[in-house]
Amino acid sequence: KAGVTQTPRYLIKTRGQQVTLSCSPISGHRSVSWYQQTPGQGLQFLFEYFSETQRNKGNFPGRFSGRQFSNSRSEMNVSTLELGDSALYLCASSLQGGGTDTQYFGPGTRLTVL
Amino acid sequence: DAKTTQPNSMESNEEEPVHLPCNHSTISGTDYIHWYRQLPSQGPEYVIHGLTSNVNNRMASLAIAEDRKSSTLILHRATLRDAAVYYCAPGQGGSEKLVFGKGTKLTVNP
Repeated sequence: KAGVTQTPRYLIKTRGQQVTLSCSPISGHRSVSWYQQTPGQGLQFLFEYFSETQRNKGNFPGRFSGRQFSNSRSEMNVSTLELGDSALYLCASSLQGGGTDTQYFGPGTRLTVL
Repeated sequence: DAKTTQPNSMESNEEEPVHLPCNHSTISGTDYIHWYRQLPSQGPEYVIHGLTSNVNNRMASLAIAEDRKSSTLILHRATLRDAAVYYCAPGQGGSEKLVFGKGTKLTVNP
């Protein structure tokens, strides 16, 4: 069974631009979560989607948004990029979510903001 | 948010057991404790998770304290391939949100 895939793997943007990252979960998984990983803050939860609805949200500004499609694929968007948004963005999927399932992570998208 | 504390680094010799501790004193009674590991340039890899009692799988064992304020990941025989950063990640509020610690970098010596 194919794992979680994320595209693109690497991105370079400039301040003020916006970016969209994509995540395809494992087939059959309905919950998709997004995390930001930086050297200073570590791994931080952004949000979780289940059946096209945002079910949980972390403590990030409104510039960070996401959505999920009917096939469970998910996208996250960051608008008005800041230098501090440079990070590895990770997507994870699980069957039903709810905190008891195993979450499987993708390889991440490395975003660099210049 | 739950606060998760792990040692920054640990070292082990190949084929010896490794005990990786984690403190999560603010975890709620119904949230699972998850462990992941991460190699450079890769996403976190699931290792094990549990709620109250000790758990075993082919990769590791998880020992959870009776008060659930701490847990220990046990690698029974470390190999060079086990060298990675290990993260303890309690869940929160019955949701998919995992509260990752800063991680413990495990070095395995041949």
